Amino acid sequence: NAGVTQTPKFRVLKTGQSMTLLCAQDMNHEYMYWYRQDPGMGLRLIHYSVGEGTTAKGEVPDGYNVSRLKKQNFLLGLESAAPSQTSVYFCASRTGQTNQPQHFGDGTRLSIL
Amino acid sequence: KNQVEQSPQSLIILEGKNCTLQCNYTVSPFSNLRWYKQDTGRGPVSLTIMTFSENTKSNGRYTATLDADTKQSSLHITASQLSDSASYICVVTRKFELGNTPLVFGKGTRLSVIA
Repeated sequence: NAGVTQTPKFRVLKTGQSMTLLCAQDMNHEYMYWYRQDPGMGLRLIHYSVGEGTTAKGEVPDGYNVSRLKKQNFLLGLESAAPSQTSVYFCASRTGQTNQPQHFGDGTRLSIL
Repeated sequence: KNQVEQSPQSLIILEGKNCTLQCNYTVSPFSNLRWYKQDTGRGPVSLTIMTFSENTKSNGRYTATLDADTKQSSLHITASQLSDSASYICVVTRKFELGNTPLVFGKGTRLSVIA
């Protein structure tokens, strides 16, 4: 049971570099989410998707872009990385049914130097 | 403002002891409240969910309570084990409104169980 898989697990970037974080789920979930988690703060929603081909902005979308070309994948892109984007990024997914939990991946630890 | 406040921020208890974590929220309109457990280096995992009409729900040694009138929830852990060491996150779901993100996360309580 893979569940939600995030790649890579760790990455160090230089300011201005770009990269894409990949999230894959094998549970046929409709909804997918990208969060960031910083010390002393709760999880904050970056972008989310309620279905293939659709995306929407969350609480802190600036500096990030996303795509959901396939139902099972949700990509998070950083076009020009900044030190403020140093964080742990979590992907989650869930079904469209009411009161169902989000299933989280184990995170990508990203450092921007 | 929609907020979820958790207390204490951190807690250290001896193995075998009980403890209670608190969650106060000002989220509206309310849909449900969920407690997650997050082990170090892992993603959060759902422990319990409570809707407006539920007062108590148990999951093994974890018991959650909800008082929708005072907008308070608690998570009680009985006979703690070393494996209970983790962060516990309270999450309140708003009834979904187009254009508004539905989940409001607390900052978590960091629990350390020591032998």
